[in-house]
Amino acid sequence: AQSVTQLDSHVSVSEGTPVLLRCNYSSSYSPSLFWYVQHPNKGLQLLLKYTSAATLVKGINGFEAEFKKSETSFHLTKPSAHMSDAAEYFCVVSDRKYGGSQGNLIFGKGTKLSVKP
Amino acid sequence: DADVTQTPRNRITKTGKRIMLECSQTKGHDRMYWYRQDPGLGLQLIYYSFDVKDINKGEISDGYSVSRQAQAKFSLSLESAIPNQTALYFCATSDNRVKTGELFFGEGSRLTVL
Repeated sequence: AQSVTQLDSHVSVSEGTPVLLRCNYSSSYSPSLFWYVQHPNKGLQLLLKYTSAATLVKGINGFEAEFKKSETSFHLTKPSAHMSDAAEYFCVVSDRKYGGSQGNLIFGKGTKLSVKP
Repeated sequence: DADVTQTPRNRITKTGKRIMLECSQTKGHDRMYWYRQDPGLGLQLIYYSFDVKDINKGEISDGYSVSRQAQAKFSLSLESAIPNQTALYFCATSDNRVKTGELFFGEGSRLTVL
């Protein structure tokens, strides 16, 4: 079975400092991995995805993530936080249990990012 | 206008009532999903549909039913609502032509069952 663990439920940074949101996964297959962001009272939006191409993936708004198979990790980073980055972030792994080329997605429990002025 | 529209956005109801949450999309995607979000638990899949004639149960389908009225419409029903169904519900779509493609979410329907 596939699973995903977000190691921090809440991360607080100061504006202009680096952001690190940690994610570890478990997968029996070569996984696809995603990061989604949810701003208050909004739906989720895709930040970036890894699908077995380059291990360093760049996303929107300056975020990037590195797939490390040896560490089963897919941590999300940003060099300099902005106030508008305050949101909840979800790490997601694909799961082919439900069939189809896409299958189901297993969501982590989320990390809430706070950005202090 | 949003590509994935959910109605109602907020609903308060009483135990035992029947509730329907509706979702419509203008993205032309075949695949549609209903998720439930509870604080600190992430999202859990309730039902999904890969086309109009294909309906599948997700992880937590008990107490819920769905109807795919058309390619663009996918509704979620709670036949007899109970308080532990109080949650934020999301509809999502994806493009079946894109392997491991992204999900496109509506803005959510917040349901409170008293």
